Amino acid sequence: DVKVTQSSRYLVKRTGEKVFLECVQDMDHENMFWYRQDPGLGLRLIYFSYDVKMKEKGDIPEGYSVSREKKERFSLILESASTNQTSMYLCASSLGAGGVNEQFFGPGTRLTVL
Amino acid sequence: EDKVVQSPLSLVVHEGDTVTLNCSYEVTNFRSLLWYKQEKKAPTFLFMLTSSGIEKKSGRLSSILDKKELFSILNITATQTGDSAVYLCAVPHQGGSEKLVFGKGTKLTVNP
Repeated sequence: DVKVTQSSRYLVKRTGEKVFLECVQDMDHENMFWYRQDPGLGLRLIYFSYDVKMKEKGDIPEGYSVSREKKERFSLILESASTNQTSMYLCASSLGAGGVNEQFFGPGTRLTVL
Repeated sequence: EDKVVQSPLSLVVHEGDTVTLNCSYEVTNFRSLLWYKQEKKAPTFLFMLTSSGIEKKSGRLSSILDKKELFSILNITATQTGDSAVYLCAVPHQGGSEKLVFGKGTKLTVNP
């Protein structure tokens, strides 16, 4: 079974702090994704990576950056956390190699910024 | 702009009822549509549909796609409390991208 893990289930940070959210997948998938999920807004894509060191902006990249130094690991960085970044963050991965493949999701990190 | 609209946004039923969830879409170069179930945490994959009129089935869940009318339905028969979840519909961005565009979901509550 594909396993996608995220470093924390719950996280509380203060405004202005730098925040790292880590995601690891164990199935050698090429693609990895970061989403945020908010009530009434659904799942929105923040960033997408299709290979090591390669990234593409999603629908709402402002205030976020990402890093993918190794194939299995995709990090989401909030350079200076703000209260409007309080949300559920979901990481996902998919096989890649062209075509459309199902995405496998991690359990999510609920981030609260005070 | 790609768009996915799900209805209803929420639904409350009793155990044993049959429910139909709707997903309509507008996307350039449509190729496939995916359904996910999200309970407390991670969405889990249910179905991927690519062909019109061909039903996909898994136990009490089934889904079908209508590419002419641009919608899909997800049916759940003989609902159980364990079916309570948010059901998400998604299409690949501009048809073939690995990036998915999600609908806002339908929250299903099944009461005993």
